[in-house]
Amino acid sequence: SQQGEEDPQALSIQEGENATMNCSYKTSINNLQWYRQNSGRGLVHLILIRSNEREKHSGRLRVTLDTSKKSSSLLITASRAADTASYFCATALSGNTPLVFGKGTRLSVIA
Amino acid sequence: EAGVAQSPRYKIIEKRQSVAFWCNPISGHATLYWYQQILGQGPKLLIQFQNNGVVDDSQLPKDRFSAERLKGVDSTLKIQPAKLEDSAVYLCASTFTSGSSYEQYFGPGTRLTVT
Repeated sequence: SQQGEEDPQALSIQEGENATMNCSYKTSINNLQWYRQNSGRGLVHLILIRSNEREKHSGRLRVTLDTSKKSSSLLITASRAADTASYFCATALSGNTPLVFGKGTRLSVIA
Repeated sequence: EAGVAQSPRYKIIEKRQSVAFWCNPISGHATLYWYQQILGQGPKLLIQFQNNGVVDDSQLPKDRFSAERLKGVDSTLKIQPAKLEDSAVYLCASTFTSGSSYEQYFGPGTRLTVT
């Protein structure tokens, strides 16, 4: 079964707005990663946050992790049409174990 | 650095036929994964290799799926015979097994359609 569950399943916003996606998971983890997937393309790694970290930033991306609630959020600020894609959270039980993905959030950014 | 390479990019076959996918991971990456992604879902692990040894194949349907990584570099995934429900994107990923870098690098995937 899927470990992570993203919320919402789909999100539509205007260019320039912020987009927030949430992820919940069930078991203890070593790290949580966010990936982007454009239609028909492979997965692109966005950011990794370890279980002992609470927040990370990368450019317009901000990720938070709350291990007590087993949840994470991905914030994309000042969205662009090029951000239109599916976003997946994935958890790893330890450093090199396979990732367990959620079903993803489909983000549409309208110009 | 060159990314993870996969071929073919697309494949259409009839049910009960066989098909093979190829993956070349990033140079130096000892760990290789095959994931299956059904439309509308996230990727699901099929098999994990560490060099040329299998680490986890618990979710691989072994009656029809097989995979190998003979020299610890390239890998092939085979389906024989294919079923309609095997229609999916097959993703190969690799990671450098050392230190604290756990990011997985994904190839473009092979989109399989079984008719």
